[in-house]
Amino acid sequence: DQQVKQNSPSLSVQEGRISILNCDYTNSMFDYFLWYKKYPAEGPTFLISISSIKDKNEDGRFTVFLNKSAKHLSLHIVPSQPGDSAVYFCAASVSGGSNYKLTFGKGTLLTVNP
Amino acid sequence: DGGITQSPKYLFRKEGQNVTLSCEQNLNHDAMYWYRQDPGQGLRLIYYSQIVNDFQKGDIAEGYSVSREKKESFPLTVTSAQKNPTAFYLCASSNSRGQGYYGYTFGSGTRLTVV
Repeated sequence: DQQVKQNSPSLSVQEGRISILNCDYTNSMFDYFLWYKKYPAEGPTFLISISSIKDKNEDGRFTVFLNKSAKHLSLHIVPSQPGDSAVYFCAASVSGGSNYKLTFGKGTLLTVNP
Repeated sequence: DGGITQSPKYLFRKEGQNVTLSCEQNLNHDAMYWYRQDPGQGLRLIYYSQIVNDFQKGDIAEGYSVSREKKESFPLTVTSAQKNPTAFYLCASSNSRGQGYYGYTFGSGTRLTVV
């Protein structure tokens, strides 16, 4: 059973427009969420995170929104650039325990067209 | 610079052979992980280790083995029992929550191909 779901395998946007990547989770114990960006044949790199005590976190062009009641988070990229074209993974974890594991979604391939 | 190093970047294996993928980190992280990436499957956890000399199976451990004799090293052996080993393998590490949790740091991956 997938606890973290990214229901859109791919997304295509025009350069300069907003990209919105979505992620849903089912485990109500998750309280820390991260987004990773991955280029082909490379390891994922950390992009942005959010704790469940917040509903929004911004870092430059990237903003993550968390809706705890809906168990939904989204990553907004504004403005989108061709270099943002990559696979984006949503991940979630439970803080406060000894288990450090992240649970990943299957990823969304973002293509930003010039 | 601290980081996590995977080697080799590309590896070819004949059917029936065991191969070992290397993963070394100098971040002083307690926990280390092995993931496998296949098209459309996302990242699937193979094994993880939270401390030296201890490790646990992940979701797809069959046909794989690991060791954690040193904090810095977490090699993965793909055995001949793994029926479909061709994939992109990722190693990651993370620090303990008590020191601030920032998720994983990933290596650059190893592409394993069975020929």
